[in-house]
Amino acid sequence: DAEITQSPRHKITETGRQVTLACHQTWNHNNMFWYRQDLGHGLRLIHYSYGVHDTNKGEVSDGYSVSRSNTEDLPLTLESAASSQTSVYFCASNRGQGMGNTEAFFGQGTRLTVV
Amino acid sequence: DQQVKQNSPSLSVQEGRISILNCDYTNSMFDYFLWYKKYPAEGPTFLISISSIKDKNEDGRFTVFLNKSAKHLSLHIVPSQPGDSAVYFCAASRTNSGGSNYKLTFGKGTLLTVNP
Repeated sequence: DAEITQSPRHKITETGRQVTLACHQTWNHNNMFWYRQDLGHGLRLIHYSYGVHDTNKGEVSDGYSVSRSNTEDLPLTLESAASSQTSVYFCASNRGQGMGNTEAFFGQGTRLTVV
Repeated sequence: DQQVKQNSPSLSVQEGRISILNCDYTNSMFDYFLWYKKYPAEGPTFLISISSIKDKNEDGRFTVFLNKSAKHLSLHIVPSQPGDSAVYFCAASRTNSGGSNYKLTFGKGTLLTVNP
């Protein structure tokens, strides 16, 4: 079955370190997204991609970067981790083409703690 | 500026009764709306959606109503079950000139608790 997987599921890192969270989907979806979930803020969009070599900033992109070298993967990098980036991160994907293909499938999430 | 608003952080209902979750949006360009359900330690899962050309969509116990003039949508769950206890997120998207929908904008979520 097609799926979307995130790794690691849990990560503890130190302030100032570079961290990369992995996201891999097997639906062959063009569109991939990274969200963070924080209490009182819901799901906020960090970065997104509409295809290979395409990346776009979301509403909370400062301190994060992504790259899209193939259809299946969209890794999220925290350039220099800060305590404010302690959060649960969700990757998602959708086909996006045509009405009704907006439904996005989410990964299980990565809980990141910056100490 | 929050474009999708869920003003009730939590809702508690009795098993068997109706649960009504509300969502408001400010961007008139949104034309596709979705509800997601999220259990602790899991990713959100798609529940039901509605296009702006409709005012109601029903799927089993779940019905979504859209009032475009008021920029308001609601999710009705009838009858509510304890297993429905979760965080519910409202999301919205817009269609571009090519007919494709892309990124979703989410509200902050409403924690629904269904008491036995």
